[in-house]
Order: sequence, then C-alpha cells, then structure tokens
Amino acid sequence: QKEVEQNSGPLSVPEGAIASLNCTYSDRGSQSFFWYRQYSGKSPELIMFIYSNGDKEDGRFTAQLNKASQYVSLLIRDSQPSDSATYLCGRETSYDKVIFGPGTSLSVIP
Amino acid sequence: GAVVSQHPSRVICKSGTSVKIECRSLDFQATTMFWYRQFPKQSLMLMATSNEGSKATYEQGVEKDKFLINHASLTLSTLTVTSAHPEDSSFYICSAPGTGIFGQGTRLTVV
Repeated sequence: QKEVEQNSGPLSVPEGAIASLNCTYSDRGSQSFFWYRQYSGKSPELIMFIYSNGDKEDGRFTAQLNKASQYVSLLIRDSQPSDSATYLCGRETSYDKVIFGPGTSLSVIP
Repeated sequence: GAVVSQHPSRVICKSGTSVKIECRSLDFQATTMFWYRQFPKQSLMLMATSNEGSKATYEQGVEKDKFLINHASLTLSTLTVTSAHPEDSSFYICSAPGTGIFGQGTRLTVV
C-alpha cells in the first residue's frame, strides 16, 4: 500500500468553480500534512500545511484534515486558469521528512 | 523570507562524467538539507538527507557511491552524480527541513 495516495487526474474544472483535491494516507501516526503546487518544469511551491482536524483557510484555499478517516483535502475556490498545475499532497514523518503522493493534475478551463 | 538557491538550473552532461549540484540557504542556516529526485510525471522521491558535520543519510535503494552528498557548511549542501548515465536524467531538488521551501531544481540530462 502506498503511503500517500492521490487521484492522478487530470481534474478539469471551469473557471470560477471550486476544485476539490483529495489525498489519503496510511500511517495513522502522521501529524502534519502539506499541499504544494507544482507547475510543469518548476519546483514545488508550498500552498499550506495543516496539522489539526478540521478546516484551515488561506485566501481561496481551504485545507481539510480528518485524521480518523486518514483523509486530507484541498479546496480551491473561484478557480483560475493560473491554478492549472499539479498539486502534491505530503505528510511529514520523523525528522521533518515529507513523503509525497503522486500528485493530481488540475486543469482550469477558461 | 527564507530562500533556498539551487544551481545550476539545467545541465547536460556526457555519459560517464560527474555533475555537481549546489544548494545554498540564503539568510538562514541549515544544518540539514533534503535531496529529492523527480522523474517525468512522477512524484518527488526523497533520496537522502545531508547533515552538516557528519555523513549523509540515504534512503533505501539509493546508491551512496553514485550520489555523493556533502554538507560543507551551514549554508551549502551539494549533490554530485558520479559516472552519470542516461537513466540518471531527472529533476533534482533540494529542500530545507522545517521550512517547506524547495530550491529551484536542477534538470539533469545525460547524453
């Protein structure tokens, strides 16, 4: 079983819609989770991290964590074409290491 | 804010040669640095952790003799791909632990 799983996509949403990206993990001891955005050919950019159950909002982005269900999600409101990228979900392990899922490709259609 | 500067951004080398990639922490000190590798359309895979003043820690399956990692100072970590082969062509990225920050990445192409 893979440690962090994501639907590879591509996920297509129209401009202005809400994009919902999902991530599940296998290690119940995981505490912190990260969402990164990666444009093609570029290195990942941190969008946000979350470590408490519930929602965390930052601008158009909302991360949701449910440790009982081992589930993390990222909602992008008012999606823009510039949001088209691959989104990586990661969980933190010991010594600050981050293990990443395969990523979900998002395409926002104008 | 904190910045991790990685060079070169792109390098092409001949098969059998060695390539060195540098990763510098700007405006902060990093006693450790993570090195990741990413093949096309795949996720980031952690290769190793460099440690200032001691040996690097390698993840399972990563060849220590092929990927030489050194942490020369509190602001500089290097990855040297030795005797490079076409299958080593990949995107190599460093990251400072605890910051969420990645370097710009190095696209290595071995011909």
